[in-house]
Amino acid sequence: SAVISQKPSRDICQRGTSLTIQCQVDSQVTMMFWYRQQPGQSLTLIATANQGSEATYESGFVIDKFPISRPNLTFSTLTVSNMSPEDSSIYLCSVSSAADTEAFFGQGTRLTVV
Amino acid sequence: GNSVTQMEGPVTLSEEAFLTINCTYTATGYPSLFWYVQYPGEGLQLLLKATKADDKGSNKGFEATYRKETTSFHLEKGSVQVSDSAVYFCALLNQAGTALIFGKGTTLSVSS
Repeated sequence: SAVISQKPSRDICQRGTSLTIQCQVDSQVTMMFWYRQQPGQSLTLIATANQGSEATYESGFVIDKFPISRPNLTFSTLTVSNMSPEDSSIYLCSVSSAADTEAFFGQGTRLTVV
Repeated sequence: GNSVTQMEGPVTLSEEAFLTINCTYTATGYPSLFWYVQYPGEGLQLLLKATKADDKGSNKGFEATYRKETTSFHLEKGSVQVSDSAVYFCALLNQAGTALIFGKGTTLSVSS
């Protein structure tokens, strides 16, 4: 199993500002992902964080809005840039050791943009 | 691409009632199927999984069988408890076989 620490757990931010969310895993993992869970909705994959290279974004998500870093096998950050109230969501980090294996999730970051 | 359709809630049951939450999928090939659960105030966690057709995943009294013929993976429990109150998500792997695609989630409330 993997233990994921995600920071901050929650934040209230002003529109137009940016927030960086950190995801730290207690062991080296092959795959790291960022999801968004909008109020009352399911989880939507934002991107796959690739170590040492640019993240792979899903349709509807772009690097300028959601820049992602992954400097090593245990750490990643997601930045929500130039925020608007529509960005108010829970953002979750997820990891797995290999394809088709169990995915583990952080507790999430509850973001409110005012 | 791969997708999953899940019965919408909320589902409200009395303790010891039988539970079914429907889930159907559309996929290329036969990806692994999952049920994840999110208890109040906690993170998402794997409840059970099935990796191939006719496999039955089970955990904590919950079961789901991978049905290729009906492209379904319905979650069942014979006798629910108050502690089962949570949000349940059906999921499958994307076409790349890496990340998960989730259903909308079903909120279950069990009263004593």
